[in-house]
Amino acid sequence: ILNVEQSPQSLHVQEGDSTNFTCSFPSSNFYALHWYRWETAKSPEALFVMTLNGDEKKKGRISATLNTKEGYSYLYIKGSQPEDSATYLCAPHWANNLFFGTGTRLTVIP
Amino acid sequence: DTEVTQTPKHLVMGMTNKKSLKCEQHMGHRAMYWYKQKAKKPPELMFVYSYEKLSINESVPSRFSPECPNSSLLNLHLHALQPEDSALYLCASSQLGYGYTFGSGTRLTVV
Repeated sequence: ILNVEQSPQSLHVQEGDSTNFTCSFPSSNFYALHWYRWETAKSPEALFVMTLNGDEKKKGRISATLNTKEGYSYLYIKGSQPEDSATYLCAPHWANNLFFGTGTRLTVIP
Repeated sequence: DTEVTQTPKHLVMGMTNKKSLKCEQHMGHRAMYWYKQKAKKPPELMFVYSYEKLSINESVPSRFSPECPNSSLLNLHLHALQPEDSALYLCASSQLGYGYTFGSGTRLTVV
């Protein structure tokens, strides 16, 4: 079992605000880190797969950074919109498996 | 087709029933997974099939029985479940551990 922690557990922001969440994980035997966006009653949607220390990826208003030496990743959302409301899950890839964090539930208030 | 399809979306079953959950993908992925997710908890791995062979079984009770008839299909047979087995069951597939695609899940209620 891999200990993956995400913070905060939940977050309410006003429309237009920028926000970020943290994912921390054991840095040993690191292979890759996945970020998912999960809306209720839908499939988890893959956002990013990151492998290299210092990696930074961007998809529209969402970006993520990775530090494999210290075992953490940040997800940033710029100018949050109500449609960004979802649970954001990180999942380190270890031993041919994804180990999910508990997620950050984001609510964007119009 | 870039989706993982799970059926049924919802299932209510008694503790003496036998039912099956189904998962299908046509992306040519050779690894398929069952995850269980309880409310406010992260998805937890139950089974991994790689090239249609069970490669990981995370100490799941025998009342859950997986089956991979071919590279596109994954079933989860359920028998004599307990109310605490009520959860969302997610299926996923990947191309040998990279680029996972998830289904939308089956919401199971055991009464």
